[in-house]
Amino acid sequence: GDSVTQMEGPVTLSEEAFLTINCTYTATGYPSLFWYVQYPGEGLQLLLKATKADDKGSNKGFEATYRKETTSFHLEKGSVQVSDSAVYFCALANAGGTSYGKLTFGQGTILTVHP
Amino acid sequence: NAGVTQTPKFQVLKTGQSMTLQCAQDMNHEYMSWYRQDPGMGLRLIHYSVGAGITDQGEVPNGYNVSRSTTEDFPLRLLSAAPSQTSVYFCAVQIGQKLFFGSGTQLSVL
Repeated sequence: GDSVTQMEGPVTLSEEAFLTINCTYTATGYPSLFWYVQYPGEGLQLLLKATKADDKGSNKGFEATYRKETTSFHLEKGSVQVSDSAVYFCALANAGGTSYGKLTFGQGTILTVHP
Repeated sequence: NAGVTQTPKFQVLKTGQSMTLQCAQDMNHEYMSWYRQDPGMGLRLIHYSVGAGITDQGEVPNGYNVSRSTTEDFPLRLLSAAPSQTSVYFCAVQIGQKLFFGSGTQLSVL
């Protein structure tokens, strides 16, 4: 079955540092890939997505590129802020894009950014 | 989290008790799902629904029941709670390829 593996956390950075959170996946066919973010006490929110190979998703300074050859979708940000402190989840949706609300999530990576 | 309302926010149960977690949406969309979130395991799909009267099992359905009598509501029932069901539960509505999550229910089973 489908699976998503994220780098082990937690990750602790100083403000303005560069961020990378690794994500690799296993799936049949051509899945869509997502990064969701969860701020303390809240539900998950979509951060960015990519639907086909070589697509780059971007939002709020975060970027991730869909690499089919390495089955990866690493999240990056050039300069993190304290407000980026949250839990980040990599996820995939299969079934040709009509996933019926069914996503496969990675285990989540806790990011803490210090001033 | 606008549009997806979960109640209650917190609940403590004793082993063997039953309860229903409520989920309501005002976005009039067909696809709804329930996930549980556990440390180090991400979110795992419990049940999902593609419309009123249609539900199906996800990855971890045992111990949970669902029904979908209306488009708006998708309740999750625990018939006999067990400590292994201690978790944070999220309801979600899918619009296009995007999931909109509720704010979650934190459940403890003693």
